[in-house]
Amino acid sequence: GAGVSQSPSNKVTEKGKDVELRCDPISGHTALYWYRQSLGQGLEFLIYFQGNSAPDKSGLPSDRFSAERTGGSVSTLTIQRTQQEDSAVYLCASSRGWGTGANVLTFGAGSRLTVL
Amino acid sequence: EDQVTQSPEALRLQEGESSSLNCSYTVSGLRGLFWYRQDPGKGPEFLFTLYSAGEEKEKERLKATLTKKESFLHITAPKPEDSATYLCAVQAVSGGYNKLIFGAGTRLAVHP
Repeated sequence: GAGVSQSPSNKVTEKGKDVELRCDPISGHTALYWYRQSLGQGLEFLIYFQGNSAPDKSGLPSDRFSAERTGGSVSTLTIQRTQQEDSAVYLCASSRGWGTGANVLTFGAGSRLTVL
Repeated sequence: EDQVTQSPEALRLQEGESSSLNCSYTVSGLRGLFWYRQDPGKGPEFLFTLYSAGEEKEKERLKATLTKKESFLHITAPKPEDSATYLCAVQAVSGGYNKLIFGAGTRLAVHP
């Protein structure tokens, strides 16, 4: 696609429920990132996928968070047993991963998660 | 530990009043420094990449510069449409992975 697409744009859930957030990167981009942005804060790195390599999961805050990337394209971030502190905007970004502009990230508009 | 610090947290300018935003960093193995602009309710939008000390990039009223310890985003004669949050990020290599580490941003408000 022309840009990075994220869904849903808004999600309200109850504490303890599981949520899935989807990211559809730019076609041909081999690198995909998930970040979390709390109100008025900077971007917190969560996880990074590059091609077929094992993902860098070092930013995931707990084992309730997981992500997968199927077929080197669409990615899903799953949060199990949501807590109120999980409320934030979850941003997905992709990049070419090679050549000129390899690491220039193009971001989606984000998924705003509210845990009641 | 790799770290990015931006200052000031917030900046209010009158239209036409030039100023600079600062991004200081400590990182092992810098691979690049990036500036992004973020408007409310949107994802960050890429502005510049700088790779080596002394490098400068310009785009309209914005100019980014880089030293070995910090980067500046100079805004010349700003307009209200320049109001946004400006994010700085550094690319480092850690554990064999590329990482893009963001600062907390500077919220810029330009008033007519």
